[in-house]
Amino acid sequence: DAGVTQSPTHLIKTRGQQVTLRCSPKSGHDTVSWYQQALGQGPQFIFQYYEEEERQRGNFPDRFSGHQFPNYSSELNVNALLLGDSALYLCASSLGQGVVGELFFGEGSRLTVL
Amino acid sequence: GIQVEQSPPDLILQEGANSTLRCNFSDSVNNLQWFHQNPWGQLINLFYIPSGTKQNGRLSATTVATERYSLLYISSSQTTDSGVYFCAVGQGNKLVFGAGTILRVKS
Repeated sequence: DAGVTQSPTHLIKTRGQQVTLRCSPKSGHDTVSWYQQALGQGPQFIFQYYEEEERQRGNFPDRFSGHQFPNYSSELNVNALLLGDSALYLCASSLGQGVVGELFFGEGSRLTVL
Repeated sequence: GIQVEQSPPDLILQEGANSTLRCNFSDSVNNLQWFHQNPWGQLINLFYIPSGTKQNGRLSATTVATERYSLLYISSSQTTDSGVYFCAVGQGNKLVFGAGTILRVKS
């Protein structure tokens, strides 16, 4: 049973650049959520995708955008990178939309912005 | 929004000792999960426990939803239990995480 997979695992960008992170959900799951975890803090919700639409969004600027594909995989895009965007980006998958069910997380993509 | 508070923030144990981690939340919830974050950053599911008690080996958890708290018990701790433990509660389509408890188990 394949778990949640994310790529790349590590990447370094400079301020002003754009980044795309990718996620494949756990087998059988149809909902993908993205979280940002700054050093020493708990993860913060960015947004959730279900049926290829953004269903709920956290307190993040429009520079953060996403997409879900028909095979349920998802991308997170961040434009005009700032130093403060340096963080671990976690993808989580679950089944169904509405009240959040049990979430399973990937290993994360660690982004460093210089 | 809902507030999630975890205690203690840090905990140092001698191998073999038992511990209890607490999670308080400010509103009623229908989803609560405990995670262990490993040194590589991955969040490992420990329990999905919106109410009641569950056990898995040396770990067990209890959630008393009416009193808005959950407890994670670790018995006979091992060095491999070290890491950060997070409690997260469901609010709509998202999980709201506490700040975590950093556990260090010494041999």
